[in-house]
Amino acid sequence: SQQGEEDPQALSIQEGENATMNCSYKTSINNLQWYRQNSGRGLVHLILIRSNEREKHSGRLRVTLDTSKKSSSLLITASRAADTASYFCARRAGSYQLTFGKGTKLSVIP
Amino acid sequence: DSGVTQTPKHLITATGQRVTLRCSPRSGDLSVYWYQQSLDQGLQFLIQYYNGEERAKGNILERFSAQQFPDLHSELNLSSLELGDSALYFCASTPLGDRTEAFFGQGTRLTVV
Repeated sequence: SQQGEEDPQALSIQEGENATMNCSYKTSINNLQWYRQNSGRGLVHLILIRSNEREKHSGRLRVTLDTSKKSSSLLITASRAADTASYFCARRAGSYQLTFGKGTKLSVIP
Repeated sequence: DSGVTQTPKHLITATGQRVTLRCSPRSGDLSVYWYQQSLDQGLQFLIQYYNGEERAKGNILERFSAQQFPDLHSELNLSSLELGDSALYFCASTPLGDRTEAFFGQGTRLTVV
């Protein structure tokens, strides 16, 4: 199975609500990254959290990392319709391969 | 604009044919990654090159091959195409340090008919 599995697979919320997505992985990491993909377009990097970090913020984004549970979460606060996209976590496997999960499809309803 | 350029954007071809997808990484980036994304699926890692050499291999079929040239652009060759090869193919590049973020191109949408 793929490393970096996101949960839930799909999430639908009202504009202004917070959205939380989770990511689990199986082996040790150097860092964990979150990406966003608008329908059919290229992925855009959102935030990178290193294995020795527990929490990181970027604007309305908050990422946490729990290496003991091999899990991470992405919180988007005060969501907007423009946040509608798929969100992927990616694990850096060793120094090379960047492995993605299947993503969470977020729909923000105006 | 990520700085990564992929051509062509769209490609329609028949089963059994061969196609070449091209990727120009960001200026100065030495690593190039290729991914395949089928409908409603995640990204399947295919292969990575670093400064002209193959660095890591993922779920790449034997019918597929890639290379990175001295000017650092990369090509992904897909041969004996099947209907199931229809997908978005993404290229990404990273700077010298592999532990940093990846920059993605807009992808090539391949349709095999």
